[in-house]
Amino acid sequence: AQRVTQPEKLLSVFKGAPVELKCNYSYSGSPELFWYVQYSRQRLQLLLRHISRESIKGFTADLNKGETSFHLKKPFAQEEDSAMYYCALKGQAGTALIFGKGTTLSVSS
Amino acid sequence: DTAVSQTPKYLVTQMGNDKSIKCEQNLGHDTMYWYKQDSKKFLKIMFSYNNKELIINETVPNRFSPKSPDKAHLNLHINSLELGDSAVYFCASSQGPGYEQYFGPGTRLTVT
Repeated sequence: AQRVTQPEKLLSVFKGAPVELKCNYSYSGSPELFWYVQYSRQRLQLLLRHISRESIKGFTADLNKGETSFHLKKPFAQEEDSAMYYCALKGQAGTALIFGKGTTLSVSS
Repeated sequence: DTAVSQTPKYLVTQMGNDKSIKCEQNLGHDTMYWYKQDSKKFLKIMFSYNNKELIINETVPNRFSPKSPDKAHLNLHINSLELGDSAVYFCASSQGPGYEQYFGPGTRLTVT
């Protein structure tokens, strides 16, 4: 079964603290994973994808096939990082994305 | 402005009505999608079209009917609206199936 699990509904941190948003997946084969971000009442935007191994806005995510995880990390959170974060998996048919339930990140000063 | 656009942004209507949401992309993409985001912010695929042909049709009531008049447009028509249809509906497009998806701003549908 293809599934994405984001165990935390809400993550609250202080500005400057490290952030780790958890994502676990279930997929047979080679997964392709993404992180999307949705700022308040805005459209979803692609934050990063594992195949490009890039760092966007200070965020990184490493695919760990052994642990079937793709956690999103940032060493020092900023208030503007407050948003809803979705982990997504490209479906078996290679078409639509399967989203996790999302984690709201709240960064306060 | 190259983007995925949706109209209307907000839609308030009564139970039993029929309504349509329109989506247009000017990115030259071949594939378009409709997602539903419920009150708990859970996002789920509803439909996907590639080159105007339906390629994904998830378990969605047949009151929902997508229509793709051309590659740049994917409209969603909903008949006999129910309270449970209240949600934010997002359109998205991608270069092809499985490529990076670009999302529209969403349409917030409220059924009273």
